Amino acid sequence: VQLVESGGGLVQPGKSLKLSCSASGFTFSSYGMHWIRQAPGKGLDWVAYISSSSGTVYADAVKGRFTISRDNAKNTLYLQLNSLKSEDTAIYYCARKGVDYWGQGVMVTVSS
Amino acid sequence: DIQMTQSPASLSASLEEIVTITCQASQDIGNWLAWYQQKPGKSPQLLIYGATSLADGVPSRFSGSKSGTQYSLKISRLQVEDPGIYYCLQGYSAPLTFGSGTKLEIK
Repeated sequence: VQLVESGGGLVQPGKSLKLSCSASGFTFSSYGMHWIRQAPGKGLDWVAYISSSSGTVYADAVKGRFTISRDNAKNTLYLQLNSLKSEDTAIYYCARKGVDYWGQGVMVTVSS
Repeated sequence: DIQMTQSPASLSASLEEIVTITCQASQDIGNWLAWYQQKPGKSPQLLIYGATSLADGVPSRFSGSKSGTQYSLKISRLQVEDPGIYYCLQGYSAPLTFGSGTKLEIK
């Protein structure tokens, strides 16, 4: 199992960013997937989940601003981040349904 | 939301010592509890799932237990490679919630 995130970077408050998570080593279409984040020097916070049938659920802190999606043909998970705030600055990890395998993470910095 | 109260926040122990970290759930979560170890600059690694099951490749000195809504991670003989931050996670219901973490150091 391998999960590789990409798409992070420095972005201004109010702007948007789209993260990707490329999956391999398992049948991606059969698994739900999570996004989890970790602010610098802080603990872990669950962000969103998408089921194998594309049902979604979000943390209150990101509901209405972030959108989780998937492309099973490309074995890729996405997280669209809109209306970004400074408090969204974090390392973003994708993880498989059982939160058993995690990617290496991608840094998102929201700053003017 | 289900709250996970983790203790202690930090812990310093000697090599070969027994170490115990606990998480108290604010409501019944059954066996939907996992433990992770995170080392600096790395992603968390799964240690225990289903409250008591050892993840693949994890040394047998790690074990998990449950008593009511209190969950414990025990390291039976602390080794030099065990320092890091340990987190619990409840997977019973969304939003999934993590404990606040326990920083483990070697004395």
